[in-house]
Formats: sequence, structure tokens, C-alpha cells
Amino acid sequence: GAGVSQSPSNKVTEKGKDVELRCDPISGHTALYWYRQSLGQGLEFLIYFQGNSAPDKSGLPSDRFSAERTGGSVSTLTIQRTQQEDSAVYLCASSFFLSNEQFFGPGTRLTVL
Amino acid sequence: RKEVEQDPGPFNVPEGATVAFNCTYSNSASQSFFWYRQDCRKEPKLLMSVYSSGNEDGRFTAQLNRASQYISLLIRDSKLSDSATYLCVVERGSGYSTLTFGKGTMLLVSP
Repeated sequence: GAGVSQSPSNKVTEKGKDVELRCDPISGHTALYWYRQSLGQGLEFLIYFQGNSAPDKSGLPSDRFSAERTGGSVSTLTIQRTQQEDSAVYLCASSFFLSNEQFFGPGTRLTVL
Repeated sequence: RKEVEQDPGPFNVPEGATVAFNCTYSNSASQSFFWYRQDCRKEPKLLMSVYSSGNEDGRFTAQLNRASQYISLLIRDSKLSDSATYLCVVERGSGYSTLTFGKGTMLLVSP
């Protein structure tokens, strides 16, 4: 079956603009995670969804970042008023509930000019 | 102490060599531990889980020492295809299976 998909694969935006990043998890996976990876840095946890609710959003770096998930499937990560330090690869992962293995999508490479 | 700390490398080894990576973690509440592999400009993929009793998967052996909060990965008979970044991953102890990733150790296997 299909893996986790993310769109767009690349996004270049100007400082101050809003961006939306999309994640389509593997069908049947109730858990969904967003991470970001900056150049030379490890993956940084942003937010976790179980179904449509987000019991752990402790990794969101500021109130400019928000995410939602609808229908227990697709998730959208929104970054408002983008800053240059937001430039990174944003990775989405999904898993079965409380599974040990998370399956990652290919990521969205965000560049803020 | 960083949440998950790894030597960034790179480790340069010839084919057939044995190489070991270590990792330390700070959260004593963490219950699950993993090694993920990340190829250049690709997404991470689970390599293996790590158990206190130690576990082996082919050429790969992982060990966990809870008392020292230390995790290791041993690769025997290195192959060119083993060249990648190896990420030490620790469950955050939040009860939600969210993970904390180390920055990774780069391995380069040469002919």
C-alpha cells in the first residue's frame, strides 16, 4: 500500500507569508506526528495527533505554528508570518496507536527568503 | 545534559569492519528505545528496537543499559550500503509514544 505522503515536496516563500504543509498518513494509522529537521540538526518533535485530537503539542516553537487533523486522516501544519529560522525540512510520520514504529513521509523542504 | 546525545562522526571504516555507535539519554522515564537509519536527504526509517536484554538482527546488535542511560549499536561485516546516518531515538516518556531523536552518527563505509 501507499506510504506517508507529503505535499508540497518543496516550498519557497517570502518572510512574513503564511504556508500550509500537508500530510497524508498511511491508511489505518491513527497516530500522526510532525517533526522538523534543520540543517545539521536532529529531528525536532512538533506535535502529535491521536485521531483528530492533539494530546501533545508541546514541541510547537511558537504561536505562529498550528496544526489540525480532520477525519482522522489528513493533517495540515500551518506556519503564519514565516521567518527565516523556520527554514527546515518538515517531516510527518504515522503509526498505529502506541506502535513502536513510526513511518515517515519524504518531507517538505521549506525555504523562507 | 542533552536529551539524546550521539557522536556525530563521521566514522570512516573499510568494508568488512566492525563499528560501534553509542548514545546517552537524559530522561529516566523513557521506556522505549530505537535506532533509526537516515540516508542522505531521505526520511528516517526504523532499523531496530532496543531491549534491555539486547537484541540482534543479522549483522546488527543493539544493547540498552538503563542504569547508565546508555544505548549502543554494533554493526559487523560493514557493507557499502550501510553508509548512512544512524539516529538514536528515545521515547519521550509522555505516554504518547512521541520520540526524541539524537542528531545522528554518520557512517561512511569505503571499498
